[in-house]
Amino acid sequence: DIVLTQSPDSLGVSLGERATINCKSRQSLLFTNNKNYLAWYQHKPGQPPKLLIYWASTRASGVPDRFSGSGSGTDFTLTISSLQAEDVAVYYCQQYYSTPAISFGQGTRLDIK
Amino acid sequence: QVYLQQSGPGQVKPAETLSLTCTVFGFSITNGYFWGWIRQPPGKRLEYIGSIHYSGTTHFNPSLKSRVALSVDKSENRFSLKLSSVAAADTAVYHCVQVRENGGYGPYFFDNWGQGTLVTVSS
Repeated sequence: DIVLTQSPDSLGVSLGERATINCKSRQSLLFTNNKNYLAWYQHKPGQPPKLLIYWASTRASGVPDRFSGSGSGTDFTLTISSLQAEDVAVYYCQQYYSTPAISFGQGTRLDIK
Repeated sequence: QVYLQQSGPGQVKPAETLSLTCTVFGFSITNGYFWGWIRQPPGKRLEYIGSIHYSGTTHFNPSLKSRVALSVDKSENRFSLKLSSVAAADTAVYHCVQVRENGGYGPYFFDNWGQGTLVTVSS
């Protein structure tokens, strides 16, 4: 199984500042089609999880452009360029390289500092 | 706007079968997507269970495949999960999901999620 490790486990960022969450895979998620098989989700309390990013860097429909995904191979980053109060959530990465044996990271809790 | 509404009991006895249903609003389940289930045991990671196309094609997490049955009801625009022989380790929040698939070879990622149902396995 492909294990994803997110860092940090929790993060406090001031409003308007940049938030960065990392996701490291034990094996490369870059497929022969030159696509990275990684997605990011946001899970706010009391709401269902929401797809933010897929193919490592493609924003899902309706996702604000302050959210961006980057990275390739084994190291990936979710960046929120200017933190808003409504961005408080737990964020997960997910790999689909080894589908159907897909897997998720352990989650990163993002709060306001 | 796709909305997934889950229903089913919040408690199941050990060795019995867990049954959940997800009704889809705002989107036809015959319109190109797979539909599936993900769970999260307390304090643990999200775990993919399986997914189904309205044609009957299914994909499963290999670790759960022997206990999972999925079905689709096109007339009611809903799909269902049955997990047999449950134990305490199956206690989790179960989410239904709209699945972006790899042309029928397996799930990619999950476009929309249901709210989640906490199912506790306890006598």
